[in-house]
Amino acid sequence: DVKVTQSSRYLVKRTGEKVFLECVQDMDHENMFWYRQDPGLGLRLIYFSYDVKMKEKGDIPEGYSVSREKKERFSLILESASTNQTSMYLCASSLLVWSNNYGYTFGSGTRLTVV
Amino acid sequence: QKEVEQNSGPLSVPEGAIASLNCTYSDRVSQSFFWYRQYSGKSPELIMSIYSNGDKEDGRFTAQLNKASQYVSLLIRDSQPSDSATYLCAGYFGNEKLTFGTGTRLTIIP
Repeated sequence: DVKVTQSSRYLVKRTGEKVFLECVQDMDHENMFWYRQDPGLGLRLIYFSYDVKMKEKGDIPEGYSVSREKKERFSLILESASTNQTSMYLCASSLLVWSNNYGYTFGSGTRLTVV
Repeated sequence: QKEVEQNSGPLSVPEGAIASLNCTYSDRVSQSFFWYRQYSGKSPELIMSIYSNGDKEDGRFTAQLNKASQYVSLLIRDSQPSDSATYLCAGYFGNEKLTFGTGTRLTIIP
């Protein structure tokens, strides 16, 4: 019963390519998040969204953009992939904190390699 | 800055013993805390949540929260090799975003 689905488990892209990472959740969550995780650096928030068409920058938004046209789908876009964007990308979703305090549910992650 | 700090480890515990993982936070405006387990190459998995001061038990896991001292801990009883993973502590501090610690790597020695 997968609840947060990321479209690719492994991805290899060339420098300069435009890369789309897709995330879909089936739990009717309002909040969705994109993180990257690198050894020794922990989880770093790239972007998050509270609602459809709403987005806010996280801690490291440079080089990324996002799209949320439907409540269940949150896409991360690497405008022009670079080697320093090689990382594990994690999508997560959650209900609004005030409504139901269950934390995040993570997708299985996409390991992106930019060559 | 609402920080969550964890000892990065590695923490080595013999099989069958109690593993104790600790987390401190720097902001008193705390709402709730979570422990995630992350196996190597996998995504984090929620294992415990705690909102009130005191202990919360779920099987072999016990989460402890002390808001006055600003620490959260996770105890794993009867540790198994399958408990070897990185454990992430996270908390909500007045907004919709979880603040994560950098994680503690736990190794259970058979």
